Amino acid sequence: SAVISQKPSRDICQRGTSLTIQCQVDSQVTMMFWYRQQPGQSLTLIATANQGSEATYESGFVIDKFPISRPNLTFSTLTVSNMSPEDSSIYLCSVEAAGDNEQFFGPGTRLTVL
Amino acid sequence: GENVEQHPSTLSVQEGDSAVIKCTYSDSASNYFPWYKQELGKGPQLIIDIRSNVGEKKDQRIAVTLNKTAKHFSLHITETQPEDSAVYFCAASFGHFLSKLTFGTGTRLQVTL
Repeated sequence: SAVISQKPSRDICQRGTSLTIQCQVDSQVTMMFWYRQQPGQSLTLIATANQGSEATYESGFVIDKFPISRPNLTFSTLTVSNMSPEDSSIYLCSVEAAGDNEQFFGPGTRLTVL
Repeated sequence: GENVEQHPSTLSVQEGDSAVIKCTYSDSASNYFPWYKQELGKGPQLIIDIRSNVGEKKDQRIAVTLNKTAKHFSLHITETQPEDSAVYFCAASFGHFLSKLTFGTGTRLQVTL
């Protein structure tokens, strides 16, 4: 399976600010995804990060709030913009390496917004 | 869209006993069903998965069964150990390239000594 790293691992931010989370994979992957996991909850897909084109967002998530970049096949960023305490969550990137549906997750970024 | 229900939300078993977690899904077109284990402070770890063309899959102490007719699938852990304590998530997806996973609500498994 691919080795996935995320930066930062955790952060505490003030409301109204923005945070960019990085996801790096040790090999080229076909698909990259961003999820949100609110405290004690399940995982919700935010968007699919498309290489070289705009991300595909799920219902309830918009580009202005969660801009995503994917400049190549091993790297993606998620920005959480104009943060409020409701954005306090774990943000996870995942990858599908071989087109076989198996998704592997990074360690997550634990965000607290004060 | 797909909806996945998972039960129970918490499960406590004694070490050495078996644990069973059940999930149901709504979209009959779903054809891929993974299970993830999430330990505290870590990302979810894929532990086993099953595709719709088989009814059961085993990997050492872990097994998954799938009933397509009833649209449910289950995780079975035998001879549980304290290190099995974690939150377990089931998920379902359809398609090959658009691998959008829909997750269940999670089961917190506690293995007691």
